Amino acid sequence: GEDVEQSLFLSVREGDSSVINCTYTDSSSTYLYWYKQEPGAGLQLLTYIFSNMDMKQDQRLTVLLNKKDKHLSLRIADTQTGDSAIYFCALGAAGNKLTFGGGTRVLVKP
Amino acid sequence: DGGITQSPKYLFRKEGQNVTLSCEQNLNHDAMYWYRQDPGQGLRLIYYSQIVNDFQKGDIAEGYSVSREKKESFPLTVTSAQKNPTAFYLCASSIVSNEQYFGPGTRLTVT
Repeated sequence: GEDVEQSLFLSVREGDSSVINCTYTDSSSTYLYWYKQEPGAGLQLLTYIFSNMDMKQDQRLTVLLNKKDKHLSLRIADTQTGDSAIYFCALGAAGNKLTFGGGTRVLVKP
Repeated sequence: DGGITQSPKYLFRKEGQNVTLSCEQNLNHDAMYWYRQDPGQGLRLIYYSQIVNDFQKGDIAEGYSVSREKKESFPLTVTSAQKNPTAFYLCASSIVSNEQYFGPGTRLTVT
């Protein structure tokens, strides 16, 4: 089955850019997603990219997709303390299912 | 307001008891999902349903059961057969492709 990997932790200074990375094994997904989870809460859909795109920008968020290397990234510009959370990448699979990475915990330091 | 509700937010049970977690959505979504999240880990799919009166097992269905009698509702029962039921349970729904929307979650503690 699909294997989706993320680094566990990222620390960044307020105002800097954050880059969260995700690698995967199966290239058949049509949609690739980024979700945000704040402590004790559900997951919030941040953005997504179609597999036929290389980049998508949405305000402070930029998603980059390198299909050759099977690498997905989320860049958050001008990171704020409210961006501290766990970020999950997720790949669309058959039957409307999603395969999630293990999540990257982002800590924004003032 | 449209959305997904899960109740209760916190649930405590004694070992050996079955417990049912509620998930309701008013988004008119056809598909609904249940996930389990353990501390420091990602989400694992328990069960999903793409249409009323039909559901499929996910990756970790053992010890769980579901029903889908109404489009809006997808309750999850954690049975006494589930060996390690303490976890954070998340319900989600979707209409097209894979874009899923999540409820706020229920934290179940079994002692």
